[in-house]
Amino acid sequence: EIVMTQSPATLSVSPGERVTLSCRTSQTISSNLAWYQQKPGQAPRLLIYGVSTRATGIPASFSGSGSGTQFTLTISSLQSEDFAIYYCQQYNNWPYTFGQGTKLEIK
Amino acid sequence: EVQLVESGGGLVQPGGSLRLSCGASGFTFANFAMSWVRQAPGKGLEWVSTISGNGARTHYADSVKGRFTISRDNSNNTMYLHTTSLRAEDTAIYSCAKTTGNAYGYWYFDLWGRGTLVTVSS
Repeated sequence: EIVMTQSPATLSVSPGERVTLSCRTSQTISSNLAWYQQKPGQAPRLLIYGVSTRATGIPASFSGSGSGTQFTLTISSLQSEDFAIYYCQQYNNWPYTFGQGTKLEIK
Repeated sequence: EVQLVESGGGLVQPGGSLRLSCGASGFTFANFAMSWVRQAPGKGLEWVSTISGNGARTHYADSVKGRFTISRDNSNNTMYLHTTSLRAEDTAIYSCAKTTGNAYGYWYFDLWGRGTLVTVSS
């Protein structure tokens, strides 16, 4: 099983700041990595797939990058609606696995 | 509107069974794989199972293999998860997810339902 490690667990930031969330995988996964956003009481929403492709309707303020075993999600300028939990997920090998999540909090 | 709606959750005793359903609308259901993902209270996301569009291929997490069965009825745009031998650690919100990707079987989840809560307790 591929282990996904996200860091940090919690990030306190101010609106307007730029943030970078990290995701490390225990094995290489080609480009089969996705990012999801989850707000309290809501279903997760796909943000990024294929490491860097934004899903339909996702603003350009969200970008993904990385290769090998190190991947990042960057939010260029945090809006109030971006405070949520973010999960990375690999879909290169079964079982599909998620990171434990990074929670973005308002500073 | 593209939508997924789960049902069938509830309180069940350890060792019991439940059948969860996921109704889909707004897209050609048979053209897409579908998955179940669960989230224990206050915890992260855990992939449970995936079924291909025609139902021929299924995949399960080790934690549920042999106890859960995924299936689908493309004529009724519905997916199911039959859960048996339930344990306390199966307590979670179970969400269905439209699963897409490429022809090589590298799939991700591009639409999620809000989930149905399964509580396993005596």
